[in-house]
Amino acid sequence: EAQVTQNPRYLITVTGKKLTVTCSQNMNHEYMSWYRQDPGLGLRQIYYSMNVEVTDKGDVPEGYKVSRKEKRNFPLILESPSPNQTSLYFCASSLFGLTSGEQFFGPGTRLTVL
Amino acid sequence: DQQVKQNSPSLSVQEGRISILNCDYTNSMFDYFLWYKKYPAEGPTFLISISSIKDKNEDGRFTVFLNKSAKHLSLHIVPSQPGDSAVYFCAARATPIAGNKLTFGGGTRVLVKP
Repeated sequence: EAQVTQNPRYLITVTGKKLTVTCSQNMNHEYMSWYRQDPGLGLRQIYYSMNVEVTDKGDVPEGYKVSRKEKRNFPLILESPSPNQTSLYFCASSLFGLTSGEQFFGPGTRLTVL
Repeated sequence: DQQVKQNSPSLSVQEGRISILNCDYTNSMFDYFLWYKKYPAEGPTFLISISSIKDKNEDGRFTVFLNKSAKHLSLHIVPSQPGDSAVYFCAARATPIAGNKLTFGGGTRVLVKP
């Protein structure tokens, strides 16, 4: 089954404790991206990657890191989480180029930073 | 400043009637516009898209209209069904040269009453 998976689905942590949210896709997509969803603001892009070893900042990259060592995986790293990073996070993937740009989303990770 | 706006945070409609969701954008460089549907505890799923060179695209009960001069698009759902109750996000895609980025509106929560 074609899908994007994220782990964990739910996470409660404390300020300053490093964490990683994993994302994996099995569709051989070049493009992967991380978004956060906050009430009234829709989804805002954190980082994206157009291919292996190619990453770039989105609209709200502060406090986050990413890496793209393999095509299928795109982990999101919070080196020192803070309460304002409490949010719902989505990973997405798509083909890159002259398609309609439809992105496939994972089920989401709800993060609470105390 | 939000480049994509959905000014109605919620919409209630009777089953069988038409649902009309609206979206406004400010950036003329978007090349595709997409609608996503989101149920609680799930990731957004792609619904329908339209190229910036078209003014209408239809897929079953869903039709998207694009008015480029007004920088406005709308999604029509006819007839509305209880299973259509969800949050709908409008999104606009930057060209591949600009990173394939999706910019989302804040969402409209639709409730279809039996």
